[in-house]
Amino acid sequence: DQQVKQNSPSLSVQEGRISILNCDYTNSMFDYFLWYKKYPAEGPTFLISISSIKDKNEDGRFTVFLNKSAKHLSLHIVPSQPGDSAVYFCAARTLGNTDKLIFGTGTRLQVFP
Amino acid sequence: GAGVSQSPSNKVTEKGKDVELRCDPISGHTALYWYRQSLGQGLEFLIYFQGNSAPDKSGLPSDRFSAERTGGSVSTLTIQRTQQEDSAVYLCASSPLAGMVGETQYFGPGTRLLVL
Repeated sequence: DQQVKQNSPSLSVQEGRISILNCDYTNSMFDYFLWYKKYPAEGPTFLISISSIKDKNEDGRFTVFLNKSAKHLSLHIVPSQPGDSAVYFCAARTLGNTDKLIFGTGTRLQVFP
Repeated sequence: GAGVSQSPSNKVTEKGKDVELRCDPISGHTALYWYRQSLGQGLEFLIYFQGNSAPDKSGLPSDRFSAERTGGSVSTLTIQRTQQEDSAVYLCASSPLAGMVGETQYFGPGTRLLVL
């Protein structure tokens, strides 16, 4: 059972436009959500996070929105740049003594000129 | 300072052989995690260390998998009698202290394992 789902395996966006990556989850016990970006042959790098007590967190061009009632979060990148082309993973965590992350399957974003 | 490092970066082995994968976490990070990413899948949690102890081994797929951590630093993931389905990228992550909201996990580049 996939607790964190990214239903779009890929997304293609023109440079300068907004990229919207979506993520759905099923476990209501998740209390912290993160987005990671991954380039080929590299490990994932942390991008932005949001606590379950908030509905929005913004960091520069990146904004994460959380809709708890819908168990849905999204990552907005605006304006998109070619260097944003990567695989984006949504992850969720239940605060406790392990903090293991539950990852989605990723969305490959391609930003073209 | 240096990030999380993993070795080897690539490993090709024959079915039935044992392999050892190594992770050097960021200095001072007490929490260490192993994940793996199979082709077309997301990252799958394997095991978590707090210091040298492993309070959560729930993600290890079989008893062929084991891991240890010594000196609160380096960790080794061992896969015995490898099978073709073990082929994946094995990723290690560390964080300063587990259980704290906002503590990010920092990932290494991974070890790409191919079992022939």
